[in-house]
Amino acid sequence: AQTVTQSQPEMSVQEAETVTLSCTYDTSESNYYLFWYKQPPSRQMILVIRQEAYKQQNATENRFSVNFQKAAKSFSLKISDSQLGDTAMYFCAFTVQANNLFFGTGTRLTVIP
Amino acid sequence: GAVVSQHPSWVICKSGTSVKIECRSLDFQATTMFWYRQFPKQSLMLMATSNEGSKATYEQGVEKDKFLINHASLTLSTLTVTSAHPEDSSFYICSAPGLSSDTQYFGPGTRLTVL
Repeated sequence: AQTVTQSQPEMSVQEAETVTLSCTYDTSESNYYLFWYKQPPSRQMILVIRQEAYKQQNATENRFSVNFQKAAKSFSLKISDSQLGDTAMYFCAFTVQANNLFFGTGTRLTVIP
Repeated sequence: GAVVSQHPSWVICKSGTSVKIECRSLDFQATTMFWYRQFPKQSLMLMATSNEGSKATYEQGVEKDKFLINHASLTLSTLTVTSAHPEDSSFYICSAPGLSSDTQYFGPGTRLTVL
């Protein structure tokens, strides 16, 4: 069974600072994909970053980067230079290709001005 | 990027009535779409997988006779909540895999309130 665990229900960070959101997962699959989605108050799910399990290099997207540790089944998200617009729920998610996503319980991030 | 729309964005209905929610892939075709439900301050839970031209696959505990899914074309899936009750009030979100198939694109969601 696939499970995704986010152990931080809430986090806060000062504007312009860096914050790391944690995520661990469990699977017996060898090839899979990991994602971080952002859900702002509008509730639209927005893809932040994706990582392919067979790629060792950590994905980066502008101010967002991940620390992917496959052996430890860990997939943390680092947000650098935090902005007020980063305030949202962040969901870690897992999928095997073309199948549905398994979501973690989410981390509510608040960026403090 | 791939765009998925949902209609309506919100709906209020009386207990016992049926409500239809549409999910459309606007600039790509989707043989599969997924329907999720999200209760307040909770995560997204998969309800069912919608398959174009065949029956939907429902997750354990989801009543297929209550949540009717029809995937009539490669760009449209519909979820009908039949005989809605207040406990069906929730946020319903659909998604579809994009061209690369490993990334899901989400609709904006539909907030259903059953009085």
